[in-house]
Amino acid sequence: GAVVSQHPSWVICKSGTSVKIECRSLDFQATTMFWYRQFPKQSLMLMATSNEGSKATYEQGVEKDKFLINHASLTLSTLTVTSAHPEDSSFYICSARVSSVSIFGPGTRLTVL
Amino acid sequence: SQQGEEDPQALSIQEGENATMNCSYKTSINNLQWYRQNSGRGLVHLILIRSNEREKHSGRLRVTLDTSKKSSSLLITASRAADTASYFCAAQTGANNLFFGTGTRLTVIP
Repeated sequence: GAVVSQHPSWVICKSGTSVKIECRSLDFQATTMFWYRQFPKQSLMLMATSNEGSKATYEQGVEKDKFLINHASLTLSTLTVTSAHPEDSSFYICSARVSSVSIFGPGTRLTVL
Repeated sequence: SQQGEEDPQALSIQEGENATMNCSYKTSINNLQWYRQNSGRGLVHLILIRSNEREKHSGRLRVTLDTSKKSSSLLITASRAADTASYFCAAQTGANNLFFGTGTRLTVIP
């Protein structure tokens, strides 16, 4: 079946550094991918919709300069958390759609010290 | 926020019992989906029910949808310890909009 992978699965970084998270669709092409953020014991909140070959669409309240999204190919979208701060520590999950079903990546846990 | 609400927030049952989780949403939907998430992992799609459907089954899962009440329920029958996870409903309202509920943490005690 369709699989979405993420890399890295866990990253610890110092405050002020930037972190790039990759989301790949395996065995299928995804013109659109979605980035979510999840705090402990909470639900997923959509951050942005990543569109291949064009600019991402950000949800209200999400800083586009803070969370840079690049969807350079039909199988890869990247999320870069720039100048990360401890409050950016969270679980970041991407997904791609196959028909109406969302296939989620395994998530990336970001810890900013 | 269009995020749905789920209840209960947490549910603890004995193995073999049935587990029922409820979800309410706020807007008209195209479909309602249920996902499962093990701790610290990604989400796994369980079942999708379209807005014109009222009930759907998949193995030990039974989902109902009441669009007049904007609510859905997920029933897991004959629960197993391996069913322990968080369960989320997600309402799809358009081509790209998928709004998640707050989730129910299910614990099945062996």
